[in-house]
Amino acid sequence: QQPVQSPQAVILREGEDAVINCSSSKALYSVHWYRQKHGEAPVFLMILLKGGEQMRHEKISASFNEKKQQSSLYLTASQLSYSGTYFCGTAYSGAGSYQLTFGKGTKLSVIP
Amino acid sequence: DADVTQTPRNRITKTGKRIMLECSQTKGHDRMYWYRQDPGLGLRLIYYSFDVKDINKGEISDGYSVSRQAQAKFSLSLESAIPNQTALYFCATSLGGGNNEQFFGPGTRLTVL
Repeated sequence: QQPVQSPQAVILREGEDAVINCSSSKALYSVHWYRQKHGEAPVFLMILLKGGEQMRHEKISASFNEKKQQSSLYLTASQLSYSGTYFCGTAYSGAGSYQLTFGKGTKLSVIP
Repeated sequence: DADVTQTPRNRITKTGKRIMLECSQTKGHDRMYWYRQDPGLGLRLIYYSFDVKDINKGEISDGYSVSRQAQAKFSLSLESAIPNQTALYFCATSLGGGNNEQFFGPGTRLTVL
């Protein structure tokens, strides 16, 4: 089942903060976050494993709430380079734990 | 040089034609994946392979087939292309284990008329 991302789109001014959420109805093994800039391939940001710690990539961090089966991506003091579409990819406990199911994405636009 | 390459990068074809998209990688990864991306739908898994002898269907495998010719090569075929297969196709690789970071190729834009 496809995870649900929210919001679908967000516009920020440089320096503002944003949170992107990724929710699943199934028990999660891990959550990946990727960023895709227009016309390019998705690029890995970070992975959060069940029972693992909060992760960070530059000024972007993420958390994994096992009870809620939810991950949140925190973008702090946003920069123009943060613009793009952010996807979460979820892996579920069990035999298919290495197979990712991606959300529909959150389009982030950072303006001067 | 790119670690994950895809050919062709763009292809326009007609309904009913057979099409093959190719993916090669120099990362030495065992795991390879094919996804399609449609606007507003995210990335959807078509097929994946954990090694040369292991091929698995993904979420949307109908109308597609794959071949893992070697550890480094994974091809996607559309036996009889139809217009709703018009999409951006990505190949990806991963090392495996607990950290399953996926590395994506540049994508192939396929248009079926």
